[in-house]
Amino acid sequence: SQQGEEDPQALSIQEGENATMNCSYKTSINNLQWYRQNSGRGLVHLILIRSNEREKHSGRLRVTLDTSKKSSSLLITASRAADTASYFCATGRATSSNTGKLIFGQGTTLQVKP
Amino acid sequence: KAGVTQTPRYLIKTRGQQVTLSCSPISGHRSVSWYQQTPGQGLQFLFEYFSETQRNKGNFPGRFSGRQFSNSRSEMNVSTLELGDSALYLCASSLGQEQETQYFGPGTRLLVL
Repeated sequence: SQQGEEDPQALSIQEGENATMNCSYKTSINNLQWYRQNSGRGLVHLILIRSNEREKHSGRLRVTLDTSKKSSSLLITASRAADTASYFCATGRATSSNTGKLIFGQGTTLQVKP
Repeated sequence: KAGVTQTPRYLIKTRGQQVTLSCSPISGHRSVSWYQQTPGQGLQFLFEYFSETQRNKGNFPGRFSGRQFSNSRSEMNVSTLELGDSALYLCASSLGQEQETQYFGPGTRLLVL
C-alpha cells in the first residue's frame, strides 16, 4: 500500500510561476525524498530531507518537512517548460528492517505551459 | 560514473511465459532495489538485494523473484506472466546504507498480451 498521498494530483501553471506540491505520509520516517519522472522514464532524485531537518534548498527547489503533521511540500520557483514531469515523494520508514525500501506517493503531474 | 542500466528496455510477452530483466548498478553500489510501476497501483517495492542476499521484500506473489551476482548486477524473474504484470519495472542502486538516495535506471517496459 502507498505510504504517501500527494496533492494535487495534477497541476498546470504558466512558465515563470511557482509550483507547490504536497505530500502526506502515515508512519515514522528516517527521511523523505522527492523524485521527478519524465514521461514514464526512470526517476531522477531531486532532494532528500532528513527527519530532523525542517527545510532544505537546492537551486530552484525548496522542500519543507513537518514531522508533527507527517507532511512535506516541494516548491519549484520560477518554473520552466522543462519542469513538466511527474513528481513523487518517497519515504524511508524508521526501522532497520526497511533498509533499501522506499515507499512512494501517487505523484503530482506538473504541466508548465510556455 | 555510468548510471544504472537496465536491459531490455522494452519487452512483449504472452500470458504464461516467463521473463528475466537485468539491472547493472552504478559502480561501487552494492544495493539494488526493484520497483513495479503501473497506472493503477503506482510505484510499488518488489525487493532489495545487498551483497547477493535479499534484504527486503514487498508484497508480491512468489512468481516474482530475483537474485544478485557477485558484481552487484541483479536480475528479476517473473514466471507464469499475467496480463496485470504489464508495467514499467524500475531498478535502483545505492551504496546500501539505510534509506539513502537511490539512483534509478530508465526502466524496462513489459507488455503482456
